[in-house]
Amino acid sequence: DAGITQSPRHKVTETGTPVTLRCHQTENHRYMYWYRQDPGHGLRLIHYSYGVKDTDKGEVSDGYSVSRSKTEDFLLTLESATSSQTSVYFCAIRKMGQRSLYGYTFGSGTRLTVV
Amino acid sequence: AQSVTQLGSHVSVSEGALVLLRCNYSSSVPPYLFWYVQYPNQGLQLLLKYTTGATLVKGINGFEAEFKKSETSFHLTKPSAHMSDAAEYFCAVSDSNYQLIWGAGTKLIIKP
Repeated sequence: DAGITQSPRHKVTETGTPVTLRCHQTENHRYMYWYRQDPGHGLRLIHYSYGVKDTDKGEVSDGYSVSRSKTEDFLLTLESATSSQTSVYFCAIRKMGQRSLYGYTFGSGTRLTVV
Repeated sequence: AQSVTQLGSHVSVSEGALVLLRCNYSSSVPPYLFWYVQYPNQGLQLLLKYTTGATLVKGINGFEAEFKKSETSFHLTKPSAHMSDAAEYFCAVSDSNYQLIWGAGTKLIIKP
């Protein structure tokens, strides 16, 4: 979607290596999210950010860390990749109006395979 | 805590038939209810949203959803399925902090 890009789109990595996924937005939204999507589990929240250097854990945060040093970039790092982290990862931004929620806009996803 | 249930991980309908995808939420009326669609190898796109006002909400591609407070439901419908509707559909509700709580998704299969 316009305004949010994820990189890389695909990655294959070996077990035990660190991996960083990047989410970039061009619209200056405060809230950004990282989800993973697996068959039968829908979307599960990994971490989210509510501003520069302000982050919090989601329901499946073990093995993941995040950083947000600039409003536009939200990085997801797998410290030591495991096969259970093979998944499709989505970044999303929360779009707000004045005291109203427009919705979340999603990136196109990163397909990560850990071998 | 709020939860969202989508009945049926897969729903199969014939082209031209009615599409009905079910979504129920568990607790107090959420401020917002959403349906998102995900086409293969793509991210999620907003289909429609309900907040206040008219309980029947129209979205893109001919879809609509009706909020029924008494049934804690927000089911998605389309009168006539098209092959291009084949996708996965997600229901979501927001909590009071605007965090979205997601259903597990329903894959819609269209039979020719």
